[in-house]
Parts: sequence; structure tokens; C-alpha cells
Amino acid sequence: NAGVTQTPKFQVLKTGQSMTLQCAQDMNHEYMSWYRQDPGMGLRLIHYSVGAGITDQGEVPNGYNVSRSTTEDFPLRLLSAAPSQTSVYFCASRTTSGLPSYEQYFGPGTRLTVT
Amino acid sequence: DAKTTQPPSMDCAEGRAANLPCNHSTISGNEYVYWYRQIHSQGPQYIIHGLKNNETNEMASLIITEDRKSSTLILPHATLRDTAVYYCIVRATGFGNEKLTFGTGTRLTIIP
Repeated sequence: NAGVTQTPKFQVLKTGQSMTLQCAQDMNHEYMSWYRQDPGMGLRLIHYSVGAGITDQGEVPNGYNVSRSTTEDFPLRLLSAAPSQTSVYFCASRTTSGLPSYEQYFGPGTRLTVT
Repeated sequence: DAKTTQPPSMDCAEGRAANLPCNHSTISGNEYVYWYRQIHSQGPQYIIHGLKNNETNEMASLIITEDRKSSTLILPHATLRDTAVYYCIVRATGFGNEKLTFGTGTRLTIIP
């Protein structure tokens, strides 16, 4: 299992540009989510999905769009990049079946700089 | 979700037990305690979770007080690779409870 993979690892954008951060998992997990982590801070939830075709907003959704057309993939789209979106972005997944558990698996992150 | 309080930083000598405290005095009866860690700039890694009983796995032990208002994560024989930021999280499970609030955690430094 590759686990959770993210591409690209690094990205530099100019203000106003758009781009898509890719996230894929091969564990057949129903739940997937996107977090951002700013320097010296914890992770903040952007969007999440509990299954294909179902997405919902987290605590900092503005400026980002998501869709979930397959179980495996959960791309995050930046509509018009702003310097405030400079951050490290982590994708995570977990199963929603079985015993109560909240073990999330995280990807390696995408380091985004917006100039 | 219940709020958690952790010390911002701790040091521990290599080979000794690292005891990381977490206060969650407003925890509800259906909320679990979870611990994650983040090594350098990698993605967070799940360590352990528990409801009210003490738990142990291959990475660590989790001790939860009887009143469940605080807990301690124990790394029994700390190594340099355990240097990381450790996050204590309190969360109810189930649909509709998807947000995992990480806070700022405890930066644990293992001293050679």
C-alpha cells in the first residue's frame, strides 16, 4: 500500500493563479480531508468528504473547492491564489467502518508559496 | 469538543521514559482522547487513543485519570527519533463529528 499520496510536494504560485493539489489513497477509506498548517500552528480543517459524491466544509473553507468523484481521489482546488494561502497542505484519510476509531492517515504534505 | 491544554515544550533524556501530560477537564462521556505526533514537517502520525481505560500499543501507553479530566502519554524508552510535536485531541466519534482539532501541541525534544 502506498497509503496517502500528495502531489506536488512543492509549488510556487503568483497571486490570482489557480491550481489543484492532488490527493489519493489506496486503502479504500471512506473519509478524506484536507488540512492546512501555518508556521508554528496546528492543523486546520479545510474540507472533508465522507464518501464519493459527498463533501462538506471545515473551519477554513473560503478560497478552496473540493470534489469527490471516486473513493480514491480527493483534489483540492485553489480558485484564485492569495498570499494568505501560503501554507503546508495535508491530506488525510480514514475508514468509517468498524470499531470507534479516529486513526487518520496523513500524506507527506504540499508546501505552497503564493507570491 | 472539549478543549485540551498541553505544555508548549518538554525535554527528555534519551533512553528515559517521556511523560507528556494533557488536561481535558471539560471532556464529555462519549469523547475519546487521541494522541498524534508530527515529526519535523511530515504529516501527523496516529499514536494511540482511549476512552476511559489505560491503553498500550507498540508505540506508547496512554494513562487516563479516573475522572477523565487529564491523561498522560508515555513513551517508555525515548529515542532521538521521538523528537516531535505531540498533539492531544479530544473528540467524539461517529458521523457528523469529523473535525479533528489539533491545537499547538507539546514540542518534545529528546536529549542525547
